[in-house]
Amino acid sequence: GAVVSQHPSWVICKSGTSVKIECRSLDFQATTMFWYRQFPKQSLMLMATSNEGSKATYEQGVEKDKFLINHASLTLSTLTVTSAHPEDSSFYICSAMNSGSYEQYFGPGTRLTVT
Amino acid sequence: KNEVEQSPQNLTAQEGEFITINCSYSVGISALHWLQQHPGGGIVSLFMLSSGKKKHGRLIATINIQEKHSSLHITASHPRDSAVYICAVDKFYGGSQGNLIFGKGTKLSVKP
Repeated sequence: GAVVSQHPSWVICKSGTSVKIECRSLDFQATTMFWYRQFPKQSLMLMATSNEGSKATYEQGVEKDKFLINHASLTLSTLTVTSAHPEDSSFYICSAMNSGSYEQYFGPGTRLTVT
Repeated sequence: KNEVEQSPQNLTAQEGEFITINCSYSVGISALHWLQQHPGGGIVSLFMLSSGKKKHGRLIATINIQEKHSSLHITASHPRDSAVYICAVDKFYGGSQGNLIFGKGTKLSVKP
């Protein structure tokens, strides 16, 4: 089946620093990728929709200047958490939508801990 | 009220039992997904369906669009099936697909 990778799988950073998370579709093209966040014991929540070659669409309440999304190619989207704070500690998951089939495939997730 | 409701929240079964997890939704959808999340957090997509029934190994997913309800069945359950099962609907959203709304998940524990 289709594979989506995320890197890194986990990261610990200090408050005030920035962290970049990569999401790659390994065997299909994805014009659209999605970034989700999951806090402990809660559902996944959509943060933003990333479209190749255009600006991301952010959900209400998600700061676009804090969570920078870049979708520079059909197989790669990046999420940069800028000036991270402890409350940004969470599990970040991306998914990629196959441009041909519209099926959505999930990455394994990145656990971010901000100290 | 959540747009996607799952039941039960927690489920404990003995190995070999037939398991059913239910999902009800209240919005128009283009598709419904069943996902599996293991303790490490990684998510695996089990099914995407918009009508009828799909089967993959011991897993069966059904959807009734009129009743806005879907079920995930696991036959001959095994301890390795222990995970959180999440229902997510692909809501009609300006004509585009992929904007998922997630249920809170059903935590399944299968005892040997």
